[in-house]
Amino acid sequence: EVQLVESGGGLVQPGGSLRLSCAASRFTFSSYEMNWVRQAPGKGLEWVSYISSSGNTIYYADSVKGRFTISRDNARNSLYLQMNSLRAEDTAIYYCARDSSGPLAYWGQGTLVTVSS
Amino acid sequence: EIVMTQSPATLSVSPGERATLSCRASQRVSSNLAWYQQKPGQAPRLLIYGASTRATAVPARFSGSGSGAEFTLTISSLQSEDFAVYYCQQYNNWPPLYTFGQGTKLEIK
Repeated sequence: EVQLVESGGGLVQPGGSLRLSCAASRFTFSSYEMNWVRQAPGKGLEWVSYISSSGNTIYYADSVKGRFTISRDNARNSLYLQMNSLRAEDTAIYYCARDSSGPLAYWGQGTLVTVSS
Repeated sequence: EIVMTQSPATLSVSPGERATLSCRASQRVSSNLAWYQQKPGQAPRLLIYGASTRATAVPARFSGSGSGAEFTLTISSLQSEDFAVYYCQQYNNWPPLYTFGQGTKLEIK
């Protein structure tokens, strides 16, 4: 069974930085596009970022463009999200999700990011 | 940006009855529409993709229909484990700027 395990969440002050990781296993990570999706407390799902299988194609939601950077290390079967200039509205559970040309068939359990002073 | 609108926000249905959830896209997305189920404290689970194809291990009581801009998720006979929040997602456009609906909470009547 596909496994995705996020880590790196925590409490950070406004304007601070955090790096999330997603460890993938039990599938050929280098063959799949990946995404980050977030969910603010009590709210719905918001797509954050996409990265192609090679890492050459990347897209971001307007709400995080210029502040967040998605990357991957196929040799380490890992996905990353570098988050800078964090704001209170970035407070959310962050999920990594495996892309199947659109549908997100597999999700991690999520990691909570709290931006607060 | 394609905006996805789900209705109703909350649906109250008795176990054993049928539930019908709607999702509308602000522009046509062909059949590039997925449905997810999310229970409290859990990650979303893919139920339907391609507007009408059930994902692996999804019970047959879940069915999806529609194309273009209007979509429906039907649960034919509600079981206790089906009470959850349901989201639709479009994946029609390139670049892949995916968008989700705001969700429909299915609660026990």
